[in-house]
Amino acid sequence: AQTVTQSQPEMSVQEAETVTLSCTYDTSESDYYLFWYKQPPSRQMILVIRQEAYKQQNATENRFSVNFQKAAKSFSLKISDSQLGDAAMYFCAYRKSGSARQLTFGSGTQLTVLP
Amino acid sequence: EPEVTQTPSHQVTQMGQEVILRCVPISNHLYFYWYRQILGQKVEFLVSFYNNEISEKSEIFDDQFSVERPDGSNFTLKIRSTKLEDSAMYFCASRGTGDYGNTIYFGEGSWLTVV
Repeated sequence: AQTVTQSQPEMSVQEAETVTLSCTYDTSESDYYLFWYKQPPSRQMILVIRQEAYKQQNATENRFSVNFQKAAKSFSLKISDSQLGDAAMYFCAYRKSGSARQLTFGSGTQLTVLP
Repeated sequence: EPEVTQTPSHQVTQMGQEVILRCVPISNHLYFYWYRQILGQKVEFLVSFYNNEISEKSEIFDDQFSVERPDGSNFTLKIRSTKLEDSAMYFCASRGTGDYGNTIYFGEGSWLTVV
């Protein structure tokens, strides 16, 4: 079974600074997808960024980027120029390639942004 | 931007009562999911649905749970006889196909409180 591990229950960052959230996963598959979702206090699950395992290039979305290390099964999220609105719970998630495959989530990292 | 919509946003019910949570997935999406998140815990997969039948279900999705797609737009989760431990946020999600079919999009959640 696939597992996703987020070893940092809480992180904090100063506004405008950069922070990196860690995620590791365990799988025997070669074709899969990785995601970071953000959950603000409203508890909605918002997609931040996704990465296809077959792509070597790291995904980027504006201030958000990932460091995808397939051999190490590591998928960290870097937030640059942190803003107060970035404060939320961040979940790393894995999905095996294939039809109706569901997501497996990590336990989350609570990010606090300090003004 | 298309989104998954869920109703109700919050429901309080007596233990033993039946509850139906409703979802309207993104139009032209073909895969539908229910997840739940007990307060303070990780997001857990319940069930996936494709082509009018269940594709996968977790061990949480026992006989008290059922899903249905009664028409071309709605996707419902029914909990037959609620227990205290069913109190959680329930997320509906959907996924399309093709280049953008790798990402599962979530609704805003239905918060269920069983008293």
